[in-house]
Amino acid sequence: AQSVTQPDIHITVSEGASLELRCNYSYGATPYLFWYVQSPGQGLQLLLKYFSGDTLVQGIKGFEAEFKRSQSSFNLRKPSVHWSDAAEYFCAVGAGDTGRRALTFGSGTRLQVQP
Amino acid sequence: SQTIHQWPATLVQPVGSPLSLECTVEGTSNPNLYWYRQAAGRGLQLLFYSVGIGQISSEVPQNLSASRPQDRQFILSSKKLLLSDSGFYLCAWSVTDRPHFGNGTRLTVT
Repeated sequence: AQSVTQPDIHITVSEGASLELRCNYSYGATPYLFWYVQSPGQGLQLLLKYFSGDTLVQGIKGFEAEFKRSQSSFNLRKPSVHWSDAAEYFCAVGAGDTGRRALTFGSGTRLQVQP
Repeated sequence: SQTIHQWPATLVQPVGSPLSLECTVEGTSNPNLYWYRQAAGRGLQLLFYSVGIGQISSEVPQNLSASRPQDRQFILSSKKLLLSDSGFYLCAWSVTDRPHFGNGTRLTVT
């Protein structure tokens, strides 16, 4: 079965600084990979996804992520963080056949942005 | 366009009371439907998924059940809530792409 590890539970960065959130996955084949953001009390918003092709994926709000098969990683990056980026971020791996496509989520990384 | 509705947004229920959370999807046919739960300080855990009317698969043993009485309706239920059922419940749908999430229901069992 697939699994996702987000080793950083909580990260604090200064506004304007760069950001990298780590995600490692375990899956026997090429996975579908996702990053979601969750603001307090809200549902999940998709930031970006990787299905195939170019391993550097651009998402919304200036985020990008790079799929590295050799490292089983899909780290999320942003060159300059804004205060509005403070939220919880979830990495997820999708697997299974077409009839299912359920996601397995990591435990999340809470991002705090200092002024 | 497709939309997903999930209600209520918040719910406070006493231990031992029943539960019914409803989720409906508009603008698509025969979607896969999912219920996820997010416990405090934890990630999301898949509870149930459904590939069609009356077809429910449970991912984890628990105090909850799910039903799909119509193609675009997915209901999460419990006969008697436990304290441990507290959490944030998210409904989602998918067809050929990634799951699309509702805004969630925050359930507090007191």
